[in-house]
Amino acid sequence: DTAVSQTPKYLVTQMGNDKSIKCEQNLGHDTMYWYKQDSKKFLKIMFSYNNKELIINETVPNRFSPKSPDKAHLNLHINSLELGDSAVYFCASSQEGRPYEQYFGPGTRLTVT
Amino acid sequence: AQSVTQLGSHVSVSEGALVLLRCNYSSSVPPYLFWYVQYPNQGLQLLLKYTSAATLVKGINGFEAEFKKSETSFHLTKPSAHMSDAAEYFCAVSEGSNYKLTFGKGTLLTVNP
Repeated sequence: DTAVSQTPKYLVTQMGNDKSIKCEQNLGHDTMYWYKQDSKKFLKIMFSYNNKELIINETVPNRFSPKSPDKAHLNLHINSLELGDSAVYFCASSQEGRPYEQYFGPGTRLTVT
Repeated sequence: AQSVTQLGSHVSVSEGALVLLRCNYSSSVPPYLFWYVQYPNQGLQLLLKYTSAATLVKGINGFEAEFKKSETSFHLTKPSAHMSDAAEYFCAVSEGSNYKLTFGKGTLLTVNP
């Protein structure tokens, strides 16, 4: 049983397109996150939602918009994709009171051509 | 502001040798510290965590880390490397119980037969 799942695993698209990445967790956690890992493996937080409320919003272009329809889902929509958006995007979740103990999904490798 | 520095982007050891991966942190408040491991093409997995209890922390797969406040360090060790330990290792810091994890740039561990 997958704890944190992401779809798709790979995404190849052209500049200017709009795409979405979906994330679901079946751990009953209250908080979910999106991270971006660049080509040098540097991992940086983008967003965090707690009980469907945005609690972390790092300096990310407004072309990126997270959406949390419920506690178990946090989707990432990206408008007008650029070459620099190519990266691996990880979703993670954590339980109430233990935000530092995060469980990561397998990642979505986005390639923008 | 919190930050993490991992010394050495690549560490290579022989099977059976000691593993030492270095991590130094900066934090304006007592930190929570973590080591995560990323196997090829997978998400991150929590190895161990320090949350202000015992300074010597034991994790999974025989790894341990020691919190040294005077040195602002949280180095990861394992007495005897195994081939299956080959992976990317990330040190991370959180200022108390906030939701934001700040990651180091990672150290790639290779284990030679």
